[in-house]
Amino acid sequence: GAVVSQHPSWVICKSGTSVKIECRSLDFQATTMFWYRQFPKQSLMLMATSNEGSKATYEQGVEKDKFLINHASLTLSTLTVTSAHPEDSSFYICSARSPGINQPQHFGDGTRLSIL
Amino acid sequence: AQSVTQPDIHITVSEGASLELRCNYSYGATPYLFWYVQSPGQGLQLLLKYFSGDTLVQGIKGFEAEFKRSQSSFNLRKPSVHWSDAAEYFCAVGPYSGGGADGLTFGKGTHLIIQP
Repeated sequence: GAVVSQHPSWVICKSGTSVKIECRSLDFQATTMFWYRQFPKQSLMLMATSNEGSKATYEQGVEKDKFLINHASLTLSTLTVTSAHPEDSSFYICSARSPGINQPQHFGDGTRLSIL
Repeated sequence: AQSVTQPDIHITVSEGASLELRCNYSYGATPYLFWYVQSPGQGLQLLLKYFSGDTLVQGIKGFEAEFKRSQSSFNLRKPSVHWSDAAEYFCAVGPYSGGGADGLTFGKGTHLIIQP
């Protein structure tokens, strides 16, 4: 149980385009999802907390107009990288917390974004 | 602010030997602590978690970790490693919020290499 699916797994696009990444909880409902960014050979950095039906909470230094988050249902959160540039190239990973008390976060397999 | 330190960037262990990966944390209250494993290009898999109670926690794949409040540590151990354990290991700490941990702070990771 507690499977999180992320799509696409890999995307290459031209500079200036917008890219949407989907994060789905397949077998549970998640009122809260999280988006992380990971640079090569580095750790994960929390970008934002996505709350179903309300605005996302962004970490300090993360541009909310650059990284648009929408959590329209209890099983889906999307991250849109707007007007992407090469410096946005990274590995983006989402996670969702399964319902109940003292539940951990379950992670998707990540999306590798390459901006040319 | 919370932080996680994994002092060993790389560790090399012979197959069949025991393993200990170190993790120290800094957090103002009782932390939620996690160990995740990441294979190249993949998301994170939860190995084990500590919320409260018994300070020695058992996880999947034969891993265990011990929470030592006095040392602010949460070291991961395995009595006998297998070649398939080669991966990147991340220790993480999260704040309690309602049903479970929210956005996690990760250590920089420890790359585990298994020698035949």
